[in-house]
Amino acid sequence: GENVEQHPSTLSVQEGDSAVIKCTYSDSASNYFPWYKQELGKGPQLIIDIRSNVGEKKDQRIAVTLNKTAKHFSLHITETQPEDSAVYFCAASIPGNTPLVFGKGTRLSVIA
Amino acid sequence: DADVTQTPRNRITKTGKRIMLECSQTKGHDRMYWYRQDPGLGLRLIYYSFDVKDINKGEISDGYSVSRQAQAKFSLSLESAIPNQTALYFCAVSGEKDYGYTFGSGTRLTVV
Repeated sequence: GENVEQHPSTLSVQEGDSAVIKCTYSDSASNYFPWYKQELGKGPQLIIDIRSNVGEKKDQRIAVTLNKTAKHFSLHITETQPEDSAVYFCAASIPGNTPLVFGKGTRLSVIA
Repeated sequence: DADVTQTPRNRITKTGKRIMLECSQTKGHDRMYWYRQDPGLGLRLIYYSFDVKDINKGEISDGYSVSRQAQAKFSLSLESAIPNQTALYFCAVSGEKDYGYTFGSGTRLTVV
């Protein structure tokens, strides 16, 4: 089955700097790659996703890139703000056939 | 009202007791999931259901059972709770073509 590795497990950045979180997956049939943000005391919330027919997707300060050949994808957050502090999860699946398999999460701290 | 509601939010129970965690949704989606979150281990799939008559085991189903009472309701039971089932439990829903998950706020379960 699918296996998703996520790095780093913790990340601290200064406010205004960029943050990058990387994930690799094992099943070449996976073609849906979402990212979730979990704030303290809340459930994870979808922030951006990408499908395998595109290499990059942007939404304001957040972008995700996908390299299907290398089987890895990354989350990029620019101009970080204190409210970006949270735990971020990547995931992968074959949509319609299999549930999401999640990485172990990255705790991002943005230091003001 | 929240799209995905989990009850209870917090529960402390004793070893050997049976406990049920409930999940209901108003999104009208067919697909429902139960995940468990432990520090450093991310989100691991317990059970999932793609429609009312469909139940599937996930990665860590031992010690758990589920019931899909209706399209909108999916319950998770611990038949005889043990301390290593202490964790944060999340219910999630998704559509057949709306791949992103909507999570509930979670149930924090402590088994003493």
